[in-house]
Amino acid sequence: KAGVTQTPRYLIKTRGQQVTLSCSPISGHRSVSWYQQTPGQGLQFLFEYFSETQRNKGNFPGRFSGRQFSNSRSEMNVSTLELGDSALYLCASSPLGGVMGDTQYFGPGTRLTVL
Amino acid sequence: GNSVTQMEGPVTLSEEAFLTINCTYTATGYPSLFWYVQYPGEGLQLLLKATKADDKGSNKGFEATYRKETTSFHLEKGSVQVSDSAVYFCALSEWLKGGSNYKLTFGKGTLLTVNP
Repeated sequence: KAGVTQTPRYLIKTRGQQVTLSCSPISGHRSVSWYQQTPGQGLQFLFEYFSETQRNKGNFPGRFSGRQFSNSRSEMNVSTLELGDSALYLCASSPLGGVMGDTQYFGPGTRLTVL
Repeated sequence: GNSVTQMEGPVTLSEEAFLTINCTYTATGYPSLFWYVQYPGEGLQLLLKATKADDKGSNKGFEATYRKETTSFHLEKGSVQVSDSAVYFCALSEWLKGGSNYKLTFGKGTLLTVNP
């Protein structure tokens, strides 16, 4: 089975722009989560989607948003980019949708640099 | 809220040395515990997991036991290799009865360097 794929792998944007990142989960997985990884804050949870519905959201401003499509593919969007948004954005999918013992499988990430 | 504390690195070992990376957690409910590994320039790979007290997860020579009494999930390996050099993350996920509360809470990560 193919793993979680994320596109693009690298992005360079300037402050004030917006960006859209894409994630394709492992086939059959219906839950997709997004995380931000930075040297200072480590790995932080952004949001989780299941069957096209956002079920959980982390403590991030409204500039961060996402959605999930009927084929479970997910996108996240960041509007009005700030320098502090530079990070590795990781997507993860899970097969059971959050029941006890479920496991998240991560993609390689998208490295976003904001200049 | 939930939290994970793992030993700060970096940890530098010689090949074939014994490895321990400490991890303790604070959580309500019934967490599952995980160790993930991140190689340079890559995403996270699941190393092992345990879903209930006294479970032992193991993979590729790494082991960790879910200790509820000490709220710990320490990672161990008897003989490390140069290829084990990476950042190791301890994490917990929690399922709360009656609803979905599925997210991973991570420790800060421990950088391991193994020298030949």
